[in-house]
Amino acid sequence: QSVLTQPPSVSGAPGQRVTISCTGSSSNIKAGYHVHWYQQLPGRAPKLLIFDNDNRPSGVPDRFSGSTSGSSASLAITGLRAEDEADYYCHSYDSHLGGSIFGGGTKLTVL
Amino acid sequence: QVQLQESGPGLVKPSETLSLTCSVSGGSVSSGTYYWSWIRQPPGKGLEWIGYIYYTGSATYNPSLKSRVTISVDTSKNQFSLNVTSLTAADTAVYYCARFRGKTGGVGSWGQGSLVTVSS
Repeated sequence: QSVLTQPPSVSGAPGQRVTISCTGSSSNIKAGYHVHWYQQLPGRAPKLLIFDNDNRPSGVPDRFSGSTSGSSASLAITGLRAEDEADYYCHSYDSHLGGSIFGGGTKLTVL
Repeated sequence: QVQLQESGPGLVKPSETLSLTCSVSGGSVSSGTYYWSWIRQPPGKGLEWIGYIYYTGSATYNPSLKSRVTISVDTSKNQFSLNVTSLTAADTAVYYCARFRGKTGGVGSWGQGSLVTVSS
């Protein structure tokens, strides 16, 4: 069981906006440790999508955005496209664990 | 642009030890900015952080695996390695080497992944 909780699946039609939540606790997100998000296409290594809560690496479209509030974080995707269909993972640091933690992952289906 | 490449056996027997190496090019494992990590993903499941190491040799492990895992770094060869002992079928996974930007930072660079199957 992951320390960071994500919904197993979300879906949306092309052009729509979807959000993926990541719920943590007082030893990770609420403690102020940064949240990072990854996109994983089938058979591929994960790709960094958002780092340090709300920053996009070079080359990531501004359709992707991240935010945090309290013990939770969210990834928003606007203008949904077929190529956004993938698994998405949140990631942070946990002080009780003394290391890194990943959410269980969310499968995004573009209808 | 840094590149990471895993190498090691694809099939290992139960109770044996897995050894994987990650070769780094386009960057140096001696950079003080980064931590060098191993992350695994069982088939059809999510990501699990195994541990990471700093260029000084200081390593931190996931408590759930700590008793069976060792990560080491060889700055002269610009590579780092993973050993996992007492393997079971539950250790079957794609093993990724990765670069963390600091202990709490994001993973900006990943290897392509190495599928390791534990089976007799």
